[in-house]
Amino acid sequence: KAGVTQTPRYLIKTRGQQVTLSCSPISGHRSVSWYQQTPGQGLQFLFEYFSETQRNKGNFPGRFSGRQFSNSRSEMNVSTLELGDSALYLCASTQTGGLYEQYFGPGTRLTVT
Amino acid sequence: AQSVTQLDSQVPVFEEAPVELRCNYSSSVSVYLFWYVQYPNQGLQLLLKYLSGSTLVKGINGFEAEFNKSQTSFHLRKPSVHISDTAEYFCAVRLNSGNTPLVFGKGTRLSVIA
Repeated sequence: KAGVTQTPRYLIKTRGQQVTLSCSPISGHRSVSWYQQTPGQGLQFLFEYFSETQRNKGNFPGRFSGRQFSNSRSEMNVSTLELGDSALYLCASTQTGGLYEQYFGPGTRLTVT
Repeated sequence: AQSVTQLDSQVPVFEEAPVELRCNYSSSVSVYLFWYVQYPNQGLQLLLKYLSGSTLVKGINGFEAEFNKSQTSFHLRKPSVHISDTAEYFCAVRLNSGNTPLVFGKGTRLSVIA
């Protein structure tokens, strides 16, 4: 099986712009979670989508949003970018249920200048 | 809410020496526990997980961890490390009911010295 893929791998944006990141889960996985990884805050949960519905949400401002399509692919969007949004954004997919492990993609490195 | 504390941010160790990476968690209810590894410029890879049953869990690459409920710990160990084990290691917890997200520790950078 192909792993979790994320596009693009690297992105440079300017403050105030918006950005969309994409994640394709492993075939058959219906749950997709997004995490932000920074040196200062570590790995923080953004949100989880299951069957096109947001099932869980972390403590991030409304500038961060996401969605999931019928084929389980997911996108996350960040509007009005701030310097502090510079981070590695990781996507993880899983079969349903807490017993199943999350498989992580390689991440998208976002740099905001 | 649950939380995870990784007690060491950096652990240097000589090649072929044993290593222990410490992890403590806080939760008022039962949890599942995980250790992930992250190599440079890569995503996270699951090393091992504790769901229930035997408290000693064996994972990939020769790693193992022991769940200690009374001490709320889940320390990761390897009897003999290799240069290739140099990476960032993350302990994570999630509640064992419902569909709750993973909560990660801050990570421990393991540096294996030749």
